[in-house]
Amino acid sequence: GNSVTQMEGPVTLSEEAFLTINCTYTATGYPSLFWYVQYPGEGLQLLLKATKADDKGSNKGFEATYRKETTSFHLEKGSVQVSDSAVYFCALTSYNNNDMRFGAGTRLTVKP
Amino acid sequence: KAGVTQTPRYLIKTRGQQVTLSCSPISGHRSVSWYQQTPGQGLQFLFEYFSETQRNKGNFPGRFSGRQFSNSRSEMNVSTLELGDSALYLCASSSPGQSHSGANVLTFGAGSRLTVL
Repeated sequence: GNSVTQMEGPVTLSEEAFLTINCTYTATGYPSLFWYVQYPGEGLQLLLKATKADDKGSNKGFEATYRKETTSFHLEKGSVQVSDSAVYFCALTSYNNNDMRFGAGTRLTVKP
Repeated sequence: KAGVTQTPRYLIKTRGQQVTLSCSPISGHRSVSWYQQTPGQGLQFLFEYFSETQRNKGNFPGRFSGRQFSNSRSEMNVSTLELGDSALYLCASSSPGQSHSGANVLTFGAGSRLTVL
């Protein structure tokens, strides 16, 4: 079945440091890939998505590229801010299917 | 437009009781999905409703049930509560066909945090 493996946390960085959170997936067919972010006490917010191989999703300085050859969708940001502190989830769905599979989540803390 | 609204936000129940959670999707969204989030199991898919019909179901016991009304609002019910049912229950809505690629983007509510004592 479909599954997502995500880099274990927690991750602690200083402000303006470079961020990478690794995500790999197992899926049949051609899944769509997502990164969601969860701030304390809130639900999940879509951060970015990619729906086919080599697509790059980007938002708020975050980027991730859909790599079919390595079945990966790593999240990157060149310079993190304190306000980026949150839990990040990698996820996938198959076509027109709302059974979204999530990774375990990576807690990011950014210190001033 | 208004986001996904879940009520109540917090509730405390005792073992053996039952609970009903409510979700109002984004206006125009006809699909509603429910997820359970716990520290140990992470985010797990419960079920999805579309046009008042359950379209997909995760691997949860029959104590977990749901329904969807004609206005797309959804409720989920958990009967005979167990300590392990303590979790954040998240509802998400989507509009099939909103993306030409068929990838349904889920918009989540803030969740209902259930504590079972």
